Amino acid sequence: GAVVSQHPSWVICKSGTSVKIECRSLDFQATTMFWYRQFPKQSLMLMATSNEGSKATYEQGVEKDKFLINHASLTLSTLTVTSAHPEDSSFYICSAGTSGRWELGELFFGEGSRLTVL
Amino acid sequence: LAKTTQPISMDSYEGQEVNITCSHNNIATNDYITWYQQFPSQGPRFIIQGYKTKVTNEVASLFIPADRKSSTLSLPRVSLSDTAVYYCLVGEVGTGGFKTIFGAGTRLFVKA
Repeated sequence: GAVVSQHPSWVICKSGTSVKIECRSLDFQATTMFWYRQFPKQSLMLMATSNEGSKATYEQGVEKDKFLINHASLTLSTLTVTSAHPEDSSFYICSAGTSGRWELGELFFGEGSRLTVL
Repeated sequence: LAKTTQPISMDSYEGQEVNITCSHNNIATNDYITWYQQFPSQGPRFIIQGYKTKVTNEVASLFIPADRKSSTLSLPRVSLSDTAVYYCLVGEVGTGGFKTIFGAGTRLFVKA
């Protein structure tokens, strides 16, 4: 089945540093990937939609200069949290869709990456 | 995207059938209904999707009445491992604009 892998699974960083999270589709080509963040006991919040080879589309209220998204290939999208602060600590999740299926609403999610900013 | 409303939480016992209902009064003609399951500290997992009437797979069944203003996810004979959050999503497909916008979800607790 379709597998989406995120790396790292967890990361701890100091305030002011930047952190990069990778999202890879292991056995299919993902033309579209989505990035979410999730706080404890809360639902997932869509941050942005990432299309291969083009600029990401950010949801309202999400700072595009703070959360840099790159989708340079059909199997890899990255989220970089720049100048991270403690309030950026969260669970970040990506999802990917394969052409012909994601348009039907079937998405495959990564395992998530837990970011803790000290 | 149509807004969805689900119960915040539900309790059940092992071996019982669990039905989780989702309301989506403003569902549009082109919208499909999709359900996901999420365990703690994991990404959601696709369970089932439907447009109308009934859909069944190896994991669950999805019942959608004729007016499509609600849908019910049915989990047969739940086990402790089915304890998770279940999300109902509604969105238009086929236009390239489908976004997986998650509502609050339903926390299902399965007890022994």
